[in-house]
Amino acid sequence: EPEVTQTPSHQVTQMGQEVILRCVPISNHLYFYWYRQILGQKVEFLVSFYNNEISEKSEIFDDQFSVERPDGSNFTLKIRSTKLEDSAMYFCASSAQGEETQYFGPGTRLLVL
Amino acid sequence: AQSVSQHNHHVILSEAASLELGCNYSYGGTVNLFWYVQYPGQHLQLLLKYFSGDPLVKGIKGFEAEFIKSKFSFNLRKPSVQWSDTAEYFCAVNFKAAGNKLTFGGGTRVLVKP
Repeated sequence: EPEVTQTPSHQVTQMGQEVILRCVPISNHLYFYWYRQILGQKVEFLVSFYNNEISEKSEIFDDQFSVERPDGSNFTLKIRSTKLEDSAMYFCASSAQGEETQYFGPGTRLLVL
Repeated sequence: AQSVSQHNHHVILSEAASLELGCNYSYGGTVNLFWYVQYPGQHLQLLLKYFSGDPLVKGIKGFEAEFIKSKFSFNLRKPSVQWSDTAEYFCAVNFKAAGNKLTFGGGTRVLVKP
């Protein structure tokens, strides 16, 4: 069964550094999403992406965040200058055209020191 | 703002016991409803979903959920749990008027004692 994959599984970085989190959505899916879960808090929506552009974004998704689909398979989330409060588990999800179910990857645990 | 709440943060029960996890959402028009499960060390997996039709939906692994529109609820049930059902369970709602994003409840950690 096809799955969403994410790399790395864990990343530790220093405050102020840039990080790129990578996702490979399910191959025939066209809608891509990033969510995050800060320890002890709810899973929160960050951004959705369709047809090479952002379709929705939350208040959390400010100018330090960006997303990109650099090729036909990867979907990335970049955090330009990480802050301590960016420490969280970041989940990628994808869904197919006309299909409203989102399928999630295993997550990347980001720790900002 | 739309919100989703799960009543229990932690549930501990013995094998063969029945499980019911509550989920309520704020009013927001048409909704799609989901339950996801996260087993230890694994990713979020879809247990079941409701879009329309029969309000009692059956999912994988013997789980079912009932949509009660008047109560804005989508409670998850399993008549007899197994040790392997130890996991965290998330209710998620797509408020259609707000786009495709999912709004999650806080999750319920379920521990099934053998």
